[in-house]
Formats: sequence, C-alpha cells, structure tokens
Amino acid sequence: DTEVTQTPKHLVMGMTNKKSLKCEQHMGHRAMYWYKQKAKKPPELMFVYSYEKLSINESVPSRFSPECPNSSLLNLHLHALQPEDSALYLCASSPRTVNTEAFFGQGTRLTVV
Amino acid sequence: AQKVTQAQTEISVVEKEDVTLDCVYETRDTTYYLFWYKQPPSGELVFLIRRNSFDEQNEISGRYSWNFQKSTSSFNFTITASQVVDSAVYFCALSWPPGNTGKLIFGQGTTLQVKP
Repeated sequence: DTEVTQTPKHLVMGMTNKKSLKCEQHMGHRAMYWYKQKAKKPPELMFVYSYEKLSINESVPSRFSPECPNSSLLNLHLHALQPEDSALYLCASSPRTVNTEAFFGQGTRLTVV
Repeated sequence: AQKVTQAQTEISVVEKEDVTLDCVYETRDTTYYLFWYKQPPSGELVFLIRRNSFDEQNEISGRYSWNFQKSTSSFNFTITASQVVDSAVYFCALSWPPGNTGKLIFGQGTTLQVKP
C-alpha cells in the first residue's frame, strides 16, 4: 500500500466557517507534510511533522492549524480563511525526514467564498 | 542561494515523439539531492526519481531516462516514444537543506501535452 489518502477531494467554505482537511497513510512513514499549491505554481511547504511532533512551520498564518493525532493521521484545521487561501492542499509522507522521497496524496481543492 | 530553473513552460508533442524536459539548478553545496515529480490533472505529485550529487550515472526506467551533468548543473528528463498518458506537469526539485525530504525547492514546472 503506497497510498496517501486525502479527504475531502473538494471543499467550498465561507470565510467564517471552520473546516478540517484529513490525510491518512498506512505505510509506516514517520514524517508527514502539508503543502499549498496555487494554480500554475509549484507546491509550497507549510508544515512538517516528524514522529508526530511539529518540526517545521513555514511561517504559516494561524488560521491554518495542523494536528497529528497519531503516526498515520494528519489534519489541517481551517478557520477564518480568506479567498486568497483558495488552493490545492497536498499532504505527503515519507519514511523519515531526510535522504528519502515523499509520497503525495491527490490533494483537497479548497475554495473560500 | 538555491534555485531550480525549468525554462520550458509548455511543450506539445505528438504521440511517439521523444521529448526532453530541461532542469538547471543552482546550489553552493557539494552534497545535494535532486528530484523529478509528475503531476497529472488529478492533482497528486508522483515521485519519479531522486538522485544525489555523488551519483552522476544516467538512469533509465522504461521509457524514462535522466541525464545528470554536474559540469552544467543540469538534470534533464527524457521521455522516449511519448504517450497521451504522459501529459502532465513535471517538476524538477532540489531538497534544502541537502538531504531534507520535505523542503523541496521546485522549479516552475513544465506542462507537457502529448497529442494522439
């Protein structure tokens, strides 16, 4: 099983809503990542979790709140987003944070209205 | 500073043609790692290859091949006998710090369209 599963695939939310994105992997990977990708741009790293602890936060606004409840799950809680936050949010995992490659999910296409 | 340049924004070929995607990187490190990822319309990034700076051997995997040349700081990707299913955005990336898996410095991507 080499899958990283993200739900939902699509999400439309208002600026006052609270929603969560979910990511799951069962490959035994100990590193998980959130990326944001705007249209026609490369992905940008948001957060890195290593052994369920947040190791990197790329100066992401606090309206994005990550959570890693266990080694297989990664959530991204969203609150008071802005229309410019509309993007493809990609989750990835890797066996460790160095000297290996990451495996990505299909992403959640988020639209903020 | 680290940088990855993919000068070709879009390439269009007819099925069965060979196509080369260019990637030029900049780094002052002597140890570094380069990647190629494919992003089909469905959205996920599909890992294609990881190469470290000490291994300059060219690699072939089926119809895919990679030419790594440190002298020109290039890591080009060739698809032989292209197929419609190869249509996607292809990203070349450099990990930073060297070896770090998650923090990838991506090029802007090359959109490949393969027409039947």
